[in-house]
Formats: sequence, structure tokens, C-alpha cells
Amino acid sequence: ETGVTQTPRHLVMGMTNKKSLKCEQHLGHNAMYWYKQSAKKPLELMFVYSLEERVENNSVPSRFSPECPNSSHLFLHLHTLQPEDSALYLCASSLLGPSTDTQYFGPGTRLTVL
Amino acid sequence: DAKTTQPPSMDCAEGRAANLPCNHSTISGNEYVYWYRQIHSQGPQYIIHGLKNNETNEMASLIITEDRKSSTLILPHATLRDTAVYYCIVRAGGTSYGKLTFGQGTILTVHP
Repeated sequence: ETGVTQTPRHLVMGMTNKKSLKCEQHLGHNAMYWYKQSAKKPLELMFVYSLEERVENNSVPSRFSPECPNSSHLFLHLHTLQPEDSALYLCASSLLGPSTDTQYFGPGTRLTVL
Repeated sequence: DAKTTQPPSMDCAEGRAANLPCNHSTISGNEYVYWYRQIHSQGPQYIIHGLKNNETNEMASLIITEDRKSSTLILPHATLRDTAVYYCIVRAGGTSYGKLTFGQGTILTVHP
């Protein structure tokens, strides 16, 4: 238990559906991250929120829409996804510091797009 | 951030020490060495990190060479539950937020 929770843990959706992934951290951190891990590929950073502002968007298609309403919650809104978007979606959080910060990951949401 | 090189796989007998090497020959002075592991289909788990000095915590020890071009993660008494993919990551310090670049890692298999 890392103090970062994600819901749902598993999600199956059709290409025309709209769904949201939720992440919550109970660590008092002030930065949150979304990563994607496709089969047989390394984790890829998607979005970074620092102090509730999006500071990084790594060329992610617009069908993925992040939202960070406060420092404890992070959402990933999904719409009109493609089968190749099936992957493990991971949330992480960290406490920004003067030298370095350590990211703690949630358990992930396994997404399958039919 | 500096790139890292790790062996694709390693084996270790249960109860023995597991020594996982990592090469980061282009590391800069302000870059930290981080280790994470990922057990199948779970989120990565933070293990340990260091800048120059050797570090130890309840999970592992991190040995960084004097020139900082390589490091070794040591699991002192490996158990079957330590079977996982281990990632060595170098990331810059002093930035406004963490940026971890994951490679392929080392698949560690602990056998009875």
C-alpha cells in the first residue's frame, strides 16, 4: 500500500464510450502524474501536474483529457478510444523538494478497449 | 537525463543476495540514481535512491562507484516475492518535478 489509490482497477469499454479513471493520493504530495504502459513496452509519461497546474503533456492524443481539481485528486477522462489504447494506466505522486522528489505509484487501471 | 544499461535478466537462489548492476556512464553531477521494481501487472514500487554515497534502507542497499558511472542494487536475502522487473533510472535533481524515464529493466527471477 503506497498511499496512492486508483479506481477502477479494471475497465472494459467500447470505442464510443466515455469513461474516467480516478487517482487519489493520501501522502500530502503536490505533484501528480499519469503514465501509460502498453504490453511489452516501457512506461511512458503522459501528463504531469505540479501544484495543480499541468506542466507537461507528452504529445498525448486529445481523446485523453486529464483533470486535477486539487492536489489530492487526478482524473483521466477517456472518449472515443482506439483498441491500441488498451494498456495499464498508472498514476503517481510526489512531494516537490529543493533537490529531488520520489514518485510513488498506484496499482494501476487495466484498460481494455473493444 | 542520462541513459542507463541493465542486463535483461538475472537469476538468484532464494536466501542469497541478489546483486543487480546498472551502468550510467554519462551521468551528470546533479543526477540521482533511482531504483524501482514492478511485479507483474502492478504499479512500480520505489526501492531506493542515491546521489554519491552508498545508501541502505529496509528493502535494499545501493552501492554507487566513486566515479558514479555505475551502481549496484543489493537485495541481501532474496525471496520468491522479489521476483520482478527492476528499473535503474537516472534523473536530474533540482528540477521542479520528477521526470522518470523507464527503460526495459532487469527481470530478476528468484528460484527455490
